[in-house]
Amino acid sequence: AQKVTQAQTEISVVEKEDVTLDCVYETRDTTYYLFWYKQPPSGELVFLIRRNSFDEQNEISGRYSWNFQKSTSSFNFTITASQVVDSAVYFCALSERETSGSRLTFGEGTQLTVNP
Amino acid sequence: NAGVTQTPKFRILKIGQSMTLQCAQDMNHNYMYWYRQDPGMGLKLIYYSVGAGITDKGEVPNGYNVSRSTTEDFPLRLELAAPSQTSVYFCASSYSEVRGPTEQYFGPGTRLTVT
Repeated sequence: AQKVTQAQTEISVVEKEDVTLDCVYETRDTTYYLFWYKQPPSGELVFLIRRNSFDEQNEISGRYSWNFQKSTSSFNFTITASQVVDSAVYFCALSERETSGSRLTFGEGTQLTVNP
Repeated sequence: NAGVTQTPKFRILKIGQSMTLQCAQDMNHNYMYWYRQDPGMGLKLIYYSVGAGITDKGEVPNGYNVSRSTTEDFPLRLELAAPSQTSVYFCASSYSEVRGPTEQYFGPGTRLTVT
């Protein structure tokens, strides 16, 4: 069975600090896909990134970067020079290749608060 | 494109009442999903559909029913509402690809309170 663990329930930082959100996953499949979503205070879910298990290259998008390490089953998310607008709940999610309907298993989320 | 739309945005139900949460998408996605999000928690899958006429249970299906008569619409029915169904409900859709699961597009959510 697949499982996603986000051990950090809440993180609070001061603006301009770097912050890393941890995500650890469990799966028996050799082909799987990892996702990050952002849920700002307004409540909608915003897709951030999709990564498959064969692509271990780190990815950078502006102030956001993702570190995928199969050896430790982790897919961590770093925000550089955080801003107040980054305050949100961030969810990591997993989908196995053979899962019917491409269903996602979500972690419990990490509430990030960036203080001015 | 309107994307994924949900109605209503808010609803208060009395225990034992029934209602239907509406969901529609205009992206011609074949996959659709219903999730619930309890306060401070992640999303849990209620039901999903891989195409018109095909639905299946997710992690927490008890107390709910769905139907998928068209590609666009995926309503969620609550029968005999209970306080445990107080939650925010999200509908989502995605398209299938040979390369594997793609990102899901989410609706704005329906906040339901059962008292």
